[in-house]
Amino acid sequence: NAGVTQTPKFQVLKTGQSMTLQCAQDMNHNSMYWYRQDPGMGLRLIYYSASEGTTDKGEVPNGYNVSRLNKREFSLRLESAAPSQTSVYFCASSEVSLNLSGELFFGEGSRLTVL
Amino acid sequence: RKEVEQDPGPFNVPEGATVAFNCTYSNSASQSFFWYRQDCRKEPKLLMSVYSSGNEDGRFTAQLNRASQYISLLIRDSKLSDSATYLCVVNSPGGGADGLTFGKGTHLIIQP
Repeated sequence: NAGVTQTPKFQVLKTGQSMTLQCAQDMNHNSMYWYRQDPGMGLRLIYYSASEGTTDKGEVPNGYNVSRLNKREFSLRLESAAPSQTSVYFCASSEVSLNLSGELFFGEGSRLTVL
Repeated sequence: RKEVEQDPGPFNVPEGATVAFNCTYSNSASQSFFWYRQDCRKEPKLLMSVYSSGNEDGRFTAQLNRASQYISLLIRDSKLSDSATYLCVVNSPGGGADGLTFGKGTHLIIQP
């Protein structure tokens, strides 16, 4: 039961470096999401993809780009990492649109530190 | 502005006790409500949806008070394994991913 798989689980970057977080789900879900979670803050949506071929900005998209490669995969790219992007990143998926169901299935998270 | 407020705690509760905590939301037009559970350094997982009439799942009861704009979670006969952070999640008009707002969570510690 893989569910939602994220890689890498841990990463340390220097300011200005780039990297891509990978996410794949095996539940045949239509929608996929990237959130970040910071101490003292709730989960905040970075980008989402309601269906294959579409992506939309969430609450905090600046400094990030995404690609919905196919139905299974949704990647998050940091083009020029900044210390403010130090966070735990969660990928999630859902079977149906979230206005019908609030059930998100999350990956285990990717802990990113930018020095 | 979307806001979902929770008491961060921690709530320190002896095993076997009953504990309840609330979550308030600012958007009166919010449509659906959920409680998620997040264990330390783990991902959030859906605990239960909150229905207008209130709902129960074993030792857990969730209620919605639209007039006062809050939802509640009650845990009876608490177990050590209930120790976690409980996230309140509200879905607001417009719906979709950007209508889903997470609270910052309430930290619960069940003590033996």
